[in-house]
Amino acid sequence: KQEVTQIPAALSVPEGENLVLNCSFTDSAIYNLQWFRQDPGKGLTSLLLIQSSQREQTSGRLNASLDKSSGRSTLYIAASQPGDSATYLCAASGNSKTSYDKVIFGPGTSLSVIP
Amino acid sequence: DVKVTQSSRYLVKRTGEKVFLECVQDMDHENMFWYRQDPGLGLRLIYFSYDVKMKEKGDIPEGYSVSREKKERFSLILESASTNQTSMYLCASRQTGGGETQYFGPGTRLLVL
Repeated sequence: KQEVTQIPAALSVPEGENLVLNCSFTDSAIYNLQWFRQDPGKGLTSLLLIQSSQREQTSGRLNASLDKSSGRSTLYIAASQPGDSATYLCAASGNSKTSYDKVIFGPGTSLSVIP
Repeated sequence: DVKVTQSSRYLVKRTGEKVFLECVQDMDHENMFWYRQDPGLGLRLIYFSYDVKMKEKGDIPEGYSVSREKKERFSLILESASTNQTSMYLCASRQTGGGETQYFGPGTRLLVL
């Protein structure tokens, strides 16, 4: 059974710092790995999706990497800003031939960027 | 842009009431999902629908049912609301295929008294 964990659970950094959020998954047979952002009381917004055949994806100041063999993904945020403050969740999709591939979410990392 | 809307942002109901939560997506996605999110437990899948009138149970279907009569609309029904169903409910949609991202609605915060 796939399990997804995220470290740290919470992180507080001063504005301008580069930071790394970590995601681990137990079953390396994933289809893809996604990173989401969730603002308080809101839904999830997709940030980056990495297919199992890819090693990384980039969008602006965000870079996500995937190492299937070690069961890890990292989200790198460059030059953090107060507007980056949110909870970041990773989600692993199982590899399935059926119409549904199960998505398992991690518990999230709560990020606070201090001005 | 994909848009997923949910019928209510906040809802207060009494124990035993029948509760309907509606989700509508405008991108002709085949797959739709209902999750609940609780502190310390994360997101848990309640039900999944892969096409009109088709559904599969998720991890925690007990006490819930769903309806998908039209492709764009996926309803979650609490047959007899209980206090342990107080939660944040999130709907998502996705195109068929594991390579596609899920798009989430804004969520409905339900309080059952």
